[in-house]
Amino acid sequence: QSVLTQPPSASGTPGQRVTISCSGSSSNIGSNSVYWYQQLPGTAPKLLIYWNNQRPSGVPDRFSGSKSGASASLAISGLRSEDEADYYCAAWDDRLKGVFGGGTKLTVL
Amino acid sequence: EVQLLESGGGLVQPGGSLRLSCAASGFTFSTYAMTWVRQAPGKGLEWVSGISGSGGSTHYADSVKGRFTISRDNSKNTLYLQMNSLRAEDTAVYYCATSEKTTSVTTLFDIWGQGTMVTVSS
Repeated sequence: QSVLTQPPSASGTPGQRVTISCSGSSSNIGSNSVYWYQQLPGTAPKLLIYWNNQRPSGVPDRFSGSKSGASASLAISGLRSEDEADYYCAAWDDRLKGVFGGGTKLTVL
Repeated sequence: EVQLLESGGGLVQPGGSLRLSCAASGFTFSTYAMTWVRQAPGKGLEWVSGISGSGGSTHYADSVKGRFTISRDNSKNTLYLQMNSLRAEDTAVYYCATSEKTTSVTTLFDIWGQGTMVTVSS
């Protein structure tokens, strides 16, 4: 089982706002930055959010990240059909290893 | 253009060995840490191993510690993953990944390869 805990699924209708949670511990999210990735079927993951709340160039401002204590969230506003994908959170763990969440499959209804 | 290109995947029997390579181009390879991430069929991402830019510091997931060895040849701009004592549960697509935003071994990756498939089966 994954060190970081995400809901296995989430859904929303076009235009809605959806949030995906990621829960960790003091040794990972509680003391290190959180990263979010989007993965479309058959492709490599794409960085969406880095250093908790920063967007790489080219990522729409509809995507935002936040962190509080040992938990983090990814919010997607103005949901679009092309947002349908798998989303993963990740963080460094002070036990000297990287950790990912189990992933959340987002469905746009 | 920044690029990572993995190779070396294939079918191997349980208990066997395989060496993956990741050829880098378009950035100063020796400056940045490199990481292997894998994804079993239909499953999520798993951090496997990371190495510092100099190669002097390496880290491993518990699931591969003692069986896998990460290394790099900065003169050839190439990252390696030597995989020994392979098990069925090692079957996955293996990605190499990095970022120019940090020199640390981390989970920040904005540069990914296309992945190479490793299948462990008799």
